[in-house]
Parts: sequence; structure tokens; C-alpha cells
Amino acid sequence: DAKTTQPTSMDCAEGRAANLPCNHSTISGNEYVYWYRQIHSQGPQYIIHGLKNNETNEMASLIITEDRKSSTLILPHATLRDTAVYYCIVRVSFNAGGTSYGKLTFGQGTILTVHP
Amino acid sequence: AAGVIQSPRHLIKEKRETATLKCYPIPRHDTVYWYQQGPGQDPQFLISFYEKMQSDKGSIPDRFSAQQFSDYHSELNMSSLELGDSALYFCASSVGDPRKGYTFGSGTRLTVV
Repeated sequence: DAKTTQPTSMDCAEGRAANLPCNHSTISGNEYVYWYRQIHSQGPQYIIHGLKNNETNEMASLIITEDRKSSTLILPHATLRDTAVYYCIVRVSFNAGGTSYGKLTFGQGTILTVHP
Repeated sequence: AAGVIQSPRHLIKEKRETATLKCYPIPRHDTVYWYQQGPGQDPQFLISFYEKMQSDKGSIPDRFSAQQFSDYHSELNMSSLELGDSALYFCASSVGDPRKGYTFGSGTRLTVV
């Protein structure tokens, strides 16, 4: 799976948008971009994923550049409960011979701190 | 909605003992993944199972073994425990389609003393 690069930490004021960047310059055509977050000692939580189009759900928006070499996760109105480590992961997304290729490889994520 | 259930939540063992961690996936999920997260570390992939067969293997020590049973629950068996095995162990489950995100359990905190 392609490697990702994220800033080590970011701050955001409560109620403002949090924009978390991720570089994945070696991404392949069959790899999706996934975002997960982990609130202290809890299991990682799925946020959103996309291939090449921008995506939005009830939690966040994902903006992927046209060349797919980078993406941005947007939390539109950050709250204190959004303080967490955010992981950007690229992942092969097909089955070959009936075997799941679903492994997620966690690298160093971004520690997002939302302050009052 | 049903989530991934892990048991026990906390476990304390002495060195050289054995431990068994259990994972009950979301109903109709056929794939289970195990991760280990040491203090201050990122989750590290250990092993996964798809339709009761091992599908991928990561940095799992030879002292550890795992399997997925006919009801799709999975167990991680850890023998000859070492102090360095103290960590959070997460299980996640998904349907076989890896284009879909998967769901993690709340984890088992193993402390080896």
C-alpha cells in the first residue's frame, strides 16, 4: 500500500472548520483514500473514504486532488469531542482469488486538538 | 446497531503465562482483523481471516496464533507472554468487500507483569 505523510499535530478552535491534509504521492489507481480517527485508547473509528471524487457524509468531507496525490479531510464545525489522532490511509480495494485485501496500515497520524 | 464485541476488556497476566482474546464480529461480517497497539504507538496489523481462512499476516510473533471459527468469531492466543506484549489489542470486522470501511471493537487491554 502507498505511504502517506501527515502533519504531526494541528490545532483548531471550537466551531471552526478543521482541515487535515495528507500527501500520498505514490498512490496507485486501484487504491482508495481512507480516513480513520482514534480518540484516546478507543478503537479507531471510520470517518470517510474516496477514490477520486470528493465525498461528503454526516461526519466530514473529503477533497481529493485531481492527480490524487493529496487529499484533505474537512470537519466543518469542530467540537471538543473531535480531539483525536486522525489517520489517512491508502488501501488496495479489490479481491483477488477470493482473498480479502482489506488490511489497513496505520502510519503516523495527525493529533488534532480542538480548543475552546 | 450491533458492534464488534471484544472480551475481556482488561486482562492482567504474568510473564510466561498464556492469554486468549476473543472477538465477535458484526453479524454477516466475514472478515476479521487483529491489531496490536503499544503505549504511544500506532496500531500494528497482526493477522486477518476471511471466511475462516487466514487471509493476511503482519508482524505477529510466532508465540501468537489465531483462528476464525464457524460462527465467524475469532480468538487470538498468546503464549509465553513477555512484558513487551502489554498493549491494546483491537479486533475489526468487515464484509469481504475491502472497498467498504470496517468497524473496530473497543479493544482488550493486556497488561503483563
